[in-house]
Amino acid sequence: RKEVEQDPGPFNVPEGATVAFNCTYSNSASQSFFWYRQDCRKEPKLLMSVYSSGNEDGRFTAQLNRASQYISLLIRDSKLSDSATYLCVVIKGSARQLTFGSGTQLTVLP
Amino acid sequence: DGGITQSPKYLFRKEGQNVTLSCEQNLNHDAMYWYRQDPGQGLRLIYYSQIVNDFQKGDIAEGYSVSREKKESFPLTVTSAQKNPTAFYLCATQDRRNTEAFFGQGTRLTVV
Repeated sequence: RKEVEQDPGPFNVPEGATVAFNCTYSNSASQSFFWYRQDCRKEPKLLMSVYSSGNEDGRFTAQLNRASQYISLLIRDSKLSDSATYLCVVIKGSARQLTFGSGTQLTVLP
Repeated sequence: DGGITQSPKYLFRKEGQNVTLSCEQNLNHDAMYWYRQDPGQGLRLIYYSQIVNDFQKGDIAEGYSVSREKKESFPLTVTSAQKNPTAFYLCATQDRRNTEAFFGQGTRLTVV
């Protein structure tokens, strides 16, 4: 089993739709969680951190469920510019090593 | 400007050749990472370094080598032992206090 697993995708949604991605992690000692966005042929960039209490940034909401070992990303009112691959990232251990999920591809259609 | 610089952006290698990809940072971050990304795939860890003169193998280290002689620099050598090196290579740094990772713009390596 992979340490970090994401919805396989791809997700094709119309503009204005709400879409949710999940990511599960296998190591209960994982400490920090992030969502990154990667545009085609570009480097990943931080979208948002994920806090235990859940956090929101405009149209984006991230949540963490430690008991079930998953994190989620909700995008409301999707825009064409949201089309990208979304990567979940888990950090664990004293080395604080990063582990990436394989990514979920989102295409927002006009 | 602060940031991570990877060079070159595009690199072509003949079979049997070693090539070195450069990664330089001026963020004063301790940790540096090298990832490989194949089309439609996620990031796979090649090597990482948490401190100068120390580095560890990641999940796919075979056919690669690194050095960390300076805090600012973490070059990756793709050796002839790497049988399928064509991929997008990403260097990242991490500030231990904040844990967020920052990426360079990547090097696209193609074997010709």
